[in-house]
Amino acid sequence: EDQVTQSPEALRLQEGESSSLNCSYTVSGLRGLFWYRQDPGKGPEFLFTLYSAGEEKEKERLKATLTKKESFLHITAPKPEDSATYLCAVRAKETSGSRLTFGEGTQLTVNP
Amino acid sequence: ETGVTQTPRHLVMGMTNKKSLKCEQHLGHNAMYWYKQSAKKPLELMFVYSLEERVENNSVPSRFSPECPNSSHLFLHLHTLQPEDSALYLCASSRSSDADTQYFGPGTRLTVL
Repeated sequence: EDQVTQSPEALRLQEGESSSLNCSYTVSGLRGLFWYRQDPGKGPEFLFTLYSAGEEKEKERLKATLTKKESFLHITAPKPEDSATYLCAVRAKETSGSRLTFGEGTQLTVNP
Repeated sequence: ETGVTQTPRHLVMGMTNKKSLKCEQHLGHNAMYWYKQSAKKPLELMFVYSLEERVENNSVPSRFSPECPNSSHLFLHLHTLQPEDSALYLCASSRSSDADTQYFGPGTRLTVL
């Protein structure tokens, strides 16, 4: 069974204080790992897809990296508008349909 | 309208009511999904439709009944729900059921009294 564990559950940062969110996964052959951002009362917003170990993707202050066991979402010099819940999901190679297994998310708060 | 839209955004219903959630995607996608998001729990996939055919039913109780009349519209019909069904119901779409990236709507916040 595919599993995704995100840590920490919640993270408070001061504006400008860089940090990383972790997503550990267990999957029978990784097809893709996905990062989403979710604001309160809204649906998840797609950020990145990573397909193979060593791959990195960047968008503004966010950089996602992937190893064979985990992914990190690095946040550099965060701003209050980066406050949100960040969700990680995986898709296995043998998955039929388009099944994603999600983690519980990391709730990030950036204080001004 | 762009992206994936859902109506209503909020819904309060009694356990004996019948209501429907609506989802519409304006992305030209061929696959649509229903997810349930409860507090402190990961998103749970409920149903997958590809080209209007249901391709996956993830052991969802029969009090939830999906309908996909065309590739742009998806409904979730609700009847005799339980209080534990209160959650955020999210619709998503993707280019195909084999495509990796899913795009989500804003969700319907459902409260069952």
